[in-house]
Amino acid sequence: GESVGLHLPTLSVQEGDNSIINCAYSNSASDYFIWYKQESGKGPQFIIDIRSNMDKRQGQRVTVLLNKTVKHLSLQIAATQPGDSAVYFCAEKGSGGSYIPTFGRGTSLIVHP
Amino acid sequence: KAGVTQTPRYLIKTRGQQVTLSCSPISGHRSVSWYQQTPGQGLQFLFEYFSETQRNKGNFPGRFSGRQFSNSRSEMNVSTLELGDSALYLCASSSGQGGTGELFFGEGSRLTVL
Repeated sequence: GESVGLHLPTLSVQEGDNSIINCAYSNSASDYFIWYKQESGKGPQFIIDIRSNMDKRQGQRVTVLLNKTVKHLSLQIAATQPGDSAVYFCAEKGSGGSYIPTFGRGTSLIVHP
Repeated sequence: KAGVTQTPRYLIKTRGQQVTLSCSPISGHRSVSWYQQTPGQGLQFLFEYFSETQRNKGNFPGRFSGRQFSNSRSEMNVSTLELGDSALYLCASSSGQGGTGELFFGEGSRLTVL
C-alpha cells in the first residue's frame, strides 16, 4: 500500500549547525505535505507545510523542499538550537478531499549544546 | 484561545476492561480526529468526526469506537482492552472545512494496559 517514511530514525547535530531531515513518500497523488514537531510529553505541533505545486517554502529558520520527481521531502532547520530537539514527522494528504494526513514514522533530532 | 484538551492524561487499566477518553477541541473547530501513537507503529489514524458524524475511519477493530457531541467535544472508547492497546492516544481538532485543514493536537492520554 501507499506509505510515508523517513530515511533516518535519529539525527544528532551540534548547536548552531544546520539540520536536514528527510522523508520519502510513495503516493504520487499526494498534493499536500506537512511537517510536525513533537516534543517529549506533548502532542505534535505544526511546523510548516507545502503544496505539490511548489518546490520550496520557507518559514522562520525552517525550509521545506519538495522533489516530486523522486517523491522526496526534506525539512531544513537553520542554526539548530537545543530547543529544536524533538521528533519530527512528515505527513501527506492525498487529493480527493480527505482531511486526514498519513504520518511517517518520525526522526528524532538531538541537538548537543 | 484555549488549545485542545484531553482527559485523562494518564491511566492504567487491566486486560478486558474498557476505557473512555475525552477531547475538547479548539473553540469553533468542528472536526475532531483521533490517533494512536506507539513506538512500533508510529501515529496511526483511528477516526474523524465532523458535526457529530463519523466522516473517516482508520483500520482498527470494532473495539475502538468514538462519538462527537453537539458542542464538538469528542470521546473515544476502547472495549475489552488488550496489552497491545497500551499507547498514547492523541486527539486533534481542525476547522475541517476543506483546504489544508491544519491539525491542532492535544497532549494526549497515555493508556497503560496491564
